[in-house]
Amino acid sequence: GAVVSQHPSRVICKSGTSVKIECRSLDFQATTMFWYRQFPKKSLMLMATSNEGSKATYEQGVEKDKFLINHASLTLSTLTVTSAHPEDSSFYICSARAGEETQYFGPGTRLLVL
Amino acid sequence: AQTVTQSQPEMSVQEAETVTLSCTYDTSESDYYLFWYKQPPSRQMILVIRQEAYKQQNATENRFSVNFQKAAKSFSLKISDSQLGDAAMYFCAYKEDSNYQLIWGAGTKLIIKP
Repeated sequence: GAVVSQHPSRVICKSGTSVKIECRSLDFQATTMFWYRQFPKKSLMLMATSNEGSKATYEQGVEKDKFLINHASLTLSTLTVTSAHPEDSSFYICSARAGEETQYFGPGTRLLVL
Repeated sequence: AQTVTQSQPEMSVQEAETVTLSCTYDTSESDYYLFWYKQPPSRQMILVIRQEAYKQQNATENRFSVNFQKAAKSFSLKISDSQLGDAAMYFCAYKEDSNYQLIWGAGTKLIIKP
């Protein structure tokens, strides 16, 4: 149980284009999902908290107009990187809250912006 | 503010032996949760073990156990009979009872020597 999928697993795009990453909870309903960014050999940096049916809460320093988050259902949240630039290249991970205290993570998406 | 400290950037252990990873945290709360997550080279974040602060008994999951010292704010992870598949980054994380967000340590890279 508590499986989270993420798609795509890796994406290469040109600078200026937008990229959408999907996060799905496969066997449970997740009222809250989280989006993280992870730099090489570093810990996870929380970007935003996504609640089903409401606007996402962004962490300080994260541009909400650049990283658009939609949580349209209890099993799906999407992160769209708009007008991507090389500095947006990173590893993006989503997680979904199962129960009151535990987060389960997707396998991550490697984004490379050329 | 709550902080999580992992003082060992890297640890190595001989296969089949036991290793202990350290984690300390700082909080003024009395109710919270502590987690150890494993991130192998695939970068999939996997929950290893979870501890509720109100429980005095140390959590155990097969070869993985914790030594939870609430007064000392210490939460170490012991891996017994280390296996090659245990090689990964290990992250300690803290969560308040009233907050969904995880506070992460910097991680410890565990190397298993065959």
